[in-house]
Amino acid sequence: GAVVSQHPSRVICKSGTSVKIECRSLDFQATTMFWYRQFPKQSLMLMATSNEGSKATYEQGVEKDKFLINHASLTLSTLTVTSAHPEDSSFYICSARDPGQGGPRGELFFGEGSRLTVL
Amino acid sequence: AQKITQTQPGMFVQEKEAVTLDCTYDTSDQSYGLFWYKQPSSGEMIFLIYQGSYDEQNATEGRYSLNFQKARKSANLVISASQLGDSAMYFCAMREGNFGNEKLTFGTGTRLTIIP
Repeated sequence: GAVVSQHPSRVICKSGTSVKIECRSLDFQATTMFWYRQFPKQSLMLMATSNEGSKATYEQGVEKDKFLINHASLTLSTLTVTSAHPEDSSFYICSARDPGQGGPRGELFFGEGSRLTVL
Repeated sequence: AQKITQTQPGMFVQEKEAVTLDCTYDTSDQSYGLFWYKQPSSGEMIFLIYQGSYDEQNATEGRYSLNFQKARKSANLVISASQLGDSAMYFCAMREGNFGNEKLTFGTGTRLTIIP
């Protein structure tokens, strides 16, 4: 099946620094990728839709300047958490759909997730 | 209102028994899709099963089956012959609208623990 890979899987940074998380589709091209955030023991909340070659679409309440999303190629989307603070500590997970698979099912493939800890 | 409701925060089940995880949803769309994902402690989201709103038969994937009751807006996951490796968080999710809208709304999840 299709594979989506995230890097890094874990990152610890100091408050005030910026952190970049990469999401790659390894064997398919994804014009759209999705970034979710998951707090401990909670559900996944959609943050934004990453669109190749254009601006990301952010969900209500998500700060665009705080969470920068770039989708420069059909296989790579990046999420940059700028000026990170301890409250940004969370599990960030991306997903993408392989347009060559799924049909009506439209199965999404998820990355392994990236756990961010801001000290 | 919550779009996806999972009322069981945690469940404990004896190994080899069947287990049903509840999920109800709320949508005014005629076309939608329902998903179940498994999330082990490592964090990755593993797709289990899908049910389309127009599918007449309940979906099945190996030991997983989806009890789809459209009029009641429920999509319960049934795991038969549970195994220790089934211990994980389970999320119900919904995609609204036509195919092409890949945004998913997730429930709060159920933590399933299989007891040997």
